[in-house]
Amino acid sequence: GENVEQHPSTLSVQEGDSAVIKCTYSDSASNYFPWYKQELGKRPQLIIDIRSNVGEKKDQRIAVTLNKTAKHFSLHITETQPEDSAVYFCAASMNSGGYQKVTFGTGTKLQVIP
Amino acid sequence: DAGVIQSPRHEVTEMGQEVTLRCKPISGHDYLFWYRQTMMRGLELLIYFNNNVPIDDSGMPEDRFSAKMPNASFSTLKIQPSEPRDSAVYFCASSPTGSSEQYFGPGTRLTVT
Repeated sequence: GENVEQHPSTLSVQEGDSAVIKCTYSDSASNYFPWYKQELGKRPQLIIDIRSNVGEKKDQRIAVTLNKTAKHFSLHITETQPEDSAVYFCAASMNSGGYQKVTFGTGTKLQVIP
Repeated sequence: DAGVIQSPRHEVTEMGQEVTLRCKPISGHDYLFWYRQTMMRGLELLIYFNNNVPIDDSGMPEDRFSAKMPNASFSTLKIQPSEPRDSAVYFCASSPTGSSEQYFGPGTRLTVT
């Protein structure tokens, strides 16, 4: 099955700096890569995603990049703000019997220091 | 829509007791997922249903865990008997056919003493 590794497990940055979270996946059949943000005590929520036919996607201060050859994908947050503090999960997804089976990484706890 | 609804939000029980967690998916969503979240193992998929039918239960830890979906608007995850190592946050999520996004409920924090 698919295996997703995520690094780092914790990350502290000063407000205004950039944050980068990296993930690798093992199964080349994975074709969809969502990122979820989970604030303390709350549910995970999708913040951005990328499909395998695209190398980069940007939405305001967040961007994702995908290197299919290396099976790497990353989340980039620029001009970080305290409200960006949360746990971020990457995931890799593939079609399995008509359903997009999702495998999550172990999460990165991001702390933005004011 | 109120989103995915889970109950209870918190559950504290003693080892050996039966625990039942409940989930109401978003109306119209054909897929329902049960996840367990712990610090050590992150988010683990336990089981998922499509149109009320269990499709993949390979993530269910052992026979003490069981899940049902008697209709499109209700699912339960039962642990019997519960053990301290079952302490975790259990999330239910739903997704419509054709979409890869999963909508998570608020979770149930389970503590087994």
